[in-house]
Amino acid sequence: AQSVSQHNHHVILSEAASLELGCNYSYGGTVNLFWYVQYPGQHLQLLLKYFSGDPLVKGIKGFEAEFIKSKFSFNLRKPSVQWSDTAEYFCAVNRRGSTLGRLYFGRGTQLTVWP
Amino acid sequence: GAVVSQHPSWVICKSGTSVKIECRSLDFQATTMFWYRQFPKQSLMLMATSNEGSKATYEQGVEKDKFLINHASLTLSTLTVTSAHPEDSSFYICSAREEGLAPHNEQFFGPGTRLTVL
Repeated sequence: AQSVSQHNHHVILSEAASLELGCNYSYGGTVNLFWYVQYPGQHLQLLLKYFSGDPLVKGIKGFEAEFIKSKFSFNLRKPSVQWSDTAEYFCAVNRRGSTLGRLYFGRGTQLTVWP
Repeated sequence: GAVVSQHPSWVICKSGTSVKIECRSLDFQATTMFWYRQFPKQSLMLMATSNEGSKATYEQGVEKDKFLINHASLTLSTLTVTSAHPEDSSFYICSAREEGLAPHNEQFFGPGTRLTVL
């Protein structure tokens, strides 16, 4: 069965520190990959997505993610975090070409940034 | 573009009553809509998938008679929580996709509805 693993459940950083959140998926076929962010009290927003092409994708607010097919990974990075990045981050995957496009979510990583 | 709205944004109801939550795609035709449930500090749990004009497909463990889903048009899906109980209190989120708009099956999420059952 399809699954998405986010190994870091809670990450605490100081402002200006670098961030990397891990995401691994288990599916042998071709996938589309997404990172979503949920700020406190707000709804899910798309940070970035990968469909094909350059495996290094850039998203909003200075975030980027790298798709490494051999490692089944899609880690999220930001070189210098800000207090406003405090939020829950979700990695999600769907199968390329699936009829319904069901998304499989990781359990999420809570990022807390101290000023 | 690709905006999804939900109504209401929050609702409080008494135990035993039914609550209807609406999900609308404002600027595209949602061929498929998804309903998720999110518990505090947890991930999104897919409840069901619905295609316009057909019955919803429920995930294992989700009671279809309790969580009634109707996708009567290409812009509206409703989730009705019947005979609500306190354990149904949760954050309900819908998402939608249009095959032509998002060939890679990207979903667009609504803002969610906070349900509290007293």
